[in-house]
Amino acid sequence: ILNVEQSPQSLHVQEGDSTNFTCSFPSSNFYALHWYRWETAKSPEALFVMTLNGDEKKKGRISATLNTKEGYSYLYIKGSQPEDSATYLCAFSGGYNKLIFGAGTRLAVHP
Amino acid sequence: DTGVSQNPRHKITKRGQNVTFRCDPISEHNRLYWYRQTLGQGPEFLTYFQNEAQLEKSRLLSDRFSAERPKGSFSTLEIQRTEQGDSAMYLCASSLARSEGAGGYTFGSGTRLTVV
Repeated sequence: ILNVEQSPQSLHVQEGDSTNFTCSFPSSNFYALHWYRWETAKSPEALFVMTLNGDEKKKGRISATLNTKEGYSYLYIKGSQPEDSATYLCAFSGGYNKLIFGAGTRLAVHP
Repeated sequence: DTGVSQNPRHKITKRGQNVTFRCDPISEHNRLYWYRQTLGQGPEFLTYFQNEAQLEKSRLLSDRFSAERPKGSFSTLEIQRTEQGDSAMYLCASSLARSEGAGGYTFGSGTRLTVV
């Protein structure tokens, strides 16, 4: 059974704080690791797809790193803003077409 | 093309009734996926199509669930004799098979089903 774990489950931060979340996934049969942001009443929005060990990707204040040998990825948000409040999902792809999601980290950024 | 469209957005039904959801993918996408998300969990894979062919079904998909993608365009997911445990958000995603490695999955906003 393939398991994707995310921590923490939820997080409350103040505006301007920097924060990070963890995603751990199977280190065997790795194909890609996806990060999504899912705001209430909207569709999950793709943030990053990472395929190579050591990958680092950045989009504005959000960045992510990937370690496929040990099976983890970190998502960082620098200077959190209230509009960053959402559930952040990571998903593992073992090349079998479907994505296997973690339960997500719910982030609330307070003004 | 405005992305992946799912209808209805919300559905409340009585236990034992049948329900059907529709997903309209991005027109040039040849793959279509159904996922289900329950409270506190991440989306779980249910089934996927490449064009009109249903290529994989999860063991989560009981005999009461059936999905179709006639002509390889829109898809429907039907649940017969609904149970309270079927209450969940049903998400649809589409992709172009050759672009999946680059992250080419696009999700709809989901259909939230409540079985009372």
